[in-house]
Amino acid sequence: DAGVIQSPRHEVTEMGQEVTLRCKPISGHDYLFWYRQTMMRGLELLIYFNNNVPIDDSGMPEDRFSAKMPNASFSTLKIQPSEPRDSAVYFCASRAQDGGGYTFGSGTRLTVV
Amino acid sequence: AQSVTQLGSHVSVSEGALVLLRCNYSSSVPPYLFWYVQYPNQGLQLLLKYTTGATLVKGINGFEAEFKKSETSFHLTKPSAHMSDAAEYFCAVSPGQKVTFGTGTKLQVIP
Repeated sequence: DAGVIQSPRHEVTEMGQEVTLRCKPISGHDYLFWYRQTMMRGLELLIYFNNNVPIDDSGMPEDRFSAKMPNASFSTLKIQPSEPRDSAVYFCASRAQDGGGYTFGSGTRLTVV
Repeated sequence: AQSVTQLGSHVSVSEGALVLLRCNYSSSVPPYLFWYVQYPNQGLQLLLKYTTGATLVKGINGFEAEFKKSETSFHLTKPSAHMSDAAEYFCAVSPGQKVTFGTGTKLQVIP
């Protein structure tokens, strides 16, 4: 398996623009998680899905953030409009039903200027 | 609610010395516990996990951790540090579906 695949690896955008981050989880994993990592806050859980259904989005910072999982092999995290304080590394992770550890993607480094 | 405390944001050891990274957790239910490693510009990689059963857990790269319920601890150890162990290490706890991560400990290995 190729692991969890995220794209793009790096994104630089201007404030106010829409940004879309993409994730392909490991085939057969029922859970998908979006995390944000910053120096100040560490790893923050934004949202997670089970069988494509959003279960907990309490970590989503505000209405500018939205996430979807239209099918078992694809998820997006969208920021509209983006702001400089959104600059961070965004990780996607997936997990099987059995409660084992996550498998993380390589992350998307987002810079909003 | 669950939480994780990692003692020491930076730890330095000499090459060949013992590595000890400390983690204490709180959880209202029996937890699953994890250690992850993150190399620069990469995602987190699972080192080892404790779910049930044997309290001494062996992971990859020679690391191991011991679950001590009485101390609510899950410290990570490696008998002999290697230069390639330099990275950031995260302890995590999961009593359910969500995983809560600690703030991380950066390990420096001095030649």
